[in-house]
Amino acid sequence: NAGVTQTPKFQVLKTGQSMTLQCAQDMNHEYMSWYRQDPGMGLRLIHYSVGAGITDQGEVPNGYNVSRSTTEDFPLRLLSAAPSQTSVYFCASSYYGAKGISYNSPLHFGNGTRLTVT
Amino acid sequence: QKEVEQDPGPLSVPEGAIVSLNCTYSNSAFQYFMWYRQYSRKGPELLMYTYSSGNKEDGRFTAQVDKSSKYISLFIRDSQPSDSATYLCAMSVRGAGSYQLTFGKGTKLSVIP
Repeated sequence: NAGVTQTPKFQVLKTGQSMTLQCAQDMNHEYMSWYRQDPGMGLRLIHYSVGAGITDQGEVPNGYNVSRSTTEDFPLRLLSAAPSQTSVYFCASSYYGAKGISYNSPLHFGNGTRLTVT
Repeated sequence: QKEVEQDPGPLSVPEGAIVSLNCTYSNSAFQYFMWYRQYSRKGPELLMYTYSSGNKEDGRFTAQVDKSSKYISLFIRDSQPSDSATYLCAMSVRGAGSYQLTFGKGTKLSVIP
C-alpha cells in the first residue's frame, strides 16, 4: 500500500514564484490536512479538509491555498513564495468520525516536501 | 503559554537505558493523547495512544497520562539504537469537529550503542 504520497520531495523556489505541492492518499480517508514543520516550532496546521469540496483554515493559513475536488487528492498552493515559507511540509490523512481524530483514527503522514525559498 | 509543552532535548542515552519523555498541557478539554515517532527525513507515525488516566503498555513502550496534573509521559525500556528518532506528543479534544491535533515540538532521542 502506498499510503500518503507527496511530490516533489525537494523544491527550491525564488521569492515570488508559485508552485503546487501534491498529496495523494489511497486509503479512502475523508480527512486530509497540511502541516509545516520548522525547527523550534513543531508541527503547525495550515489547512484541512473533511471531504471533497470542504476545506478550512488551520493555525497558519496565510500565503497558502487548498482545494479538494476528489477524496484522494489535496494539493497545497503557494501563490507567491516568500523566504518565511521555507519549511518541511507534511500531508496527513485520517478516517472521519463523529468523535473527530481520536485514538482509533490516527493521522497517516507522508514523508514530506522540503521547500527552500531564496 | 503554549497549549502543549515538550522539552526538545536532544536526549542521548546508552543502549539498554530506560528513557522517559514528557509533555505538559494546559487545556483541560484534551481527552485523547498520542505519541508519534519521527525518523530523520520521514513523516511522523503513530506509536501509542491513550484516552484515560493511567498506564498503557505495548512491548517496551509505556504511555502514562495524569490528567489531574496535565502531564503525559512515554517510557521506553531497554532502549535500542533503532529507537533513535524524534518523539512528538499530540492531543485532541473529544467531540464532533475535533479534527485538529495539537502537537508538542518533539524531543530528539539518540540511543548510543
